[in-house]
Amino acid sequence: AQSVTQPDIHITVSEGASLELRCNYSYGATPYLFWYVQSPGQGLQLLLKYFSGDTLVQGIKGFEAEFKRSQSSFNLRKPSVHWSDAAEYFCAVVNTDKLIFGTGTRLQVFP
Amino acid sequence: GAVVSQHPSWVICKSGTSVKIECRSLDFQATTMFWYRQFPKQSLMLMATSNEGSKATYEQGVEKDKFLINHASLTLSTLTVTSAHPEDSSFYICSARGGIDWNTIYFGEGSWLTVV
Repeated sequence: AQSVTQPDIHITVSEGASLELRCNYSYGATPYLFWYVQSPGQGLQLLLKYFSGDTLVQGIKGFEAEFKRSQSSFNLRKPSVHWSDAAEYFCAVVNTDKLIFGTGTRLQVFP
Repeated sequence: GAVVSQHPSWVICKSGTSVKIECRSLDFQATTMFWYRQFPKQSLMLMATSNEGSKATYEQGVEKDKFLINHASLTLSTLTVTSAHPEDSSFYICSARGGIDWNTIYFGEGSWLTVV
């Protein structure tokens, strides 16, 4: 079965610094991959998605992610983090019609 | 993007009573809806998948008699927590797939349930 792993439970960065959140997946064929963001007490907002084609995907709020088949990764990046980016980030993969989530990475941003 | 709305956003109920949470797709027809449960500071756990007009498919370990899911129309799915107990207190999130971008799943705002 497909699964997704987010190795980092908690990341802290300074405002203005660059950010990379890691996501690794397990799947034989080309997966459908997503990144979602969740603010405290809120639902999930879709940041970006990858189905096929260009392996560098642009999303909302200045985020991008790169699909690397050789590394089974779909890491999320942002060149300059803002304080409002502090939230929980979830990587997810479609598994036989269902969306399976990683355990999440909590991002904390210091001024 | 597509909008999915949940109601109520938060609800408090007494132990032993039942509570219903609604999930609506506002601007598209959702052929499939999903219900998740999220404990504090944890990831989302898929509870069940519902397709319009058919019985929901529950994940292993989820009590279908306790968490009743109905997907009566292409825009509405409901989750009813029956005979609620304090351990059922959680954040419940629905999501829906459909519309133009069939492969993308959109989430509701979530519903906080507190059983006292």
